Amino acid sequence: EAQVTQNPRYLITVTGKKLTVTCSQNMNHEYMSWYRQDPGLGLRQIYYSMNVEVTDKGDVPEGYKVSRKEKRNFPLILESPSPNQTSLYFCASRQGLAGVSYEQYFGPGTRLTVT
Amino acid sequence: QQQVKQSPQSLIVQKGGISIINCAYENTAFDYFPWYQQFPGKGPALLIAIRPDVSEKKEGRFTISFNKSAKQFSLHIMDSQPGDSATYFCAASAMDSNYQLIWGAGTKLIIKP
Repeated sequence: EAQVTQNPRYLITVTGKKLTVTCSQNMNHEYMSWYRQDPGLGLRQIYYSMNVEVTDKGDVPEGYKVSRKEKRNFPLILESPSPNQTSLYFCASRQGLAGVSYEQYFGPGTRLTVT
Repeated sequence: QQQVKQSPQSLIVQKGGISIINCAYENTAFDYFPWYQQFPGKGPALLIAIRPDVSEKKEGRFTISFNKSAKQFSLHIMDSQPGDSATYFCAASAMDSNYQLIWGAGTKLIIKP
């Protein structure tokens, strides 16, 4: 089954404790992206990657890191989480520009609470 | 100029009625306009999308109407059903920005039985 998986689905942590949210897709997609979703603010892009070893900042990159060492994986790293990073996080992927579809496929989400 | 403005923020419609959600944009370079549907506890999923070379696209009970001169597009859900209750996001993108999606803020739709 074609899918984007995220782990963990739920995470409660404390301020300053480094954490990583994993994202993996099995569709051989070139493009991957991380979003955060907050009430009333919709989806805001954190980072995206057009291909392996190519990453770029989105609209709200502060406090986050990403890496794209393999095509299928795109982990999101919070080096020193703060309470304002409490949010619902989504990973998404799609074909690259040479593909026939720009449909983004989303993971199930990771609900992060930072106390 | 990169914003996509979506309205209303929330909408309650009776079962069988027509739900209408509107979006407006400024960037004339946008050439791909998708709508995503998100159920509680799930990630968004593509519902329907349109390119600016057509004024309307219909898929079942869902229709996108597109007005290029007004820089507006809307989602119409005919014969709305309780199962359509979800959050809907419009978005827009352009080839010159690698089809990065610019998202509307979302509309929470509730269909009352």
